[in-house]
Amino acid sequence: TQLLEQSPQFLSIQEGENLTVYCNSSSVFSSLQWYRQEPGEGPVLLVTVVTGGEVKKLKRLTFQFGDARKDSSLHITAAQPGDTGLYLCAGWRAGNMLTFGGGTRLMVKP
Amino acid sequence: DSGVTQTPKHLITATGQRVTLRCSPRSGDLSVYWYQQSLDQGLQFLIQYYNGEERAKGNILERFSAQQFPDLHSELNLSSLELGDSALYFCASSVVRTGELFFGEGSRLTVL
Repeated sequence: TQLLEQSPQFLSIQEGENLTVYCNSSSVFSSLQWYRQEPGEGPVLLVTVVTGGEVKKLKRLTFQFGDARKDSSLHITAAQPGDTGLYLCAGWRAGNMLTFGGGTRLMVKP
Repeated sequence: DSGVTQTPKHLITATGQRVTLRCSPRSGDLSVYWYQQSLDQGLQFLIQYYNGEERAKGNILERFSAQQFPDLHSELNLSSLELGDSALYFCASSVVRTGELFFGEGSRLTVL
């Protein structure tokens, strides 16, 4: 069982559609991060959210941290083929351990 | 380019063998993290070092060991390899211990 559960695991949509990816846990995290990974490469950080209820926007991507700091969501508006990849949420806990969710594999078709 | 270098990129070996994966962190980064990524389990945290000392341990098997050297590079040793050890092994480094992790491109291990 993953400490961080991501849903959905797979998502295939058409260009221009909106989507939301969820990252849920029963544990509290001091901060949550979202990474994006492309084939043959390591994950790359997109954003870090620290405060409960925090909302951050990165162009067409909107990230939200739950009020209780146990969950987060990533919303993409008007998805483009370049958004295709594996999206990973990760949470920092006590003990210097960054724990990753299982990932959401997104495919955006032109 | 993240600045983190991992070697080798690909490695094919047989069950029962031992391999060493190497990681050079970004210049100035004191923390090194090792993760295992397999198809069915996502990224699993193995171990973290900070300036040569072990700081956190995750689900690392007893057959696996790691160390960080005085020049800050790190090695992950995998012994008595099993088929299930086939995976991508990532190294990451960071400056601030709870900040951004910079990942290498990974070492793909195939155990036959």
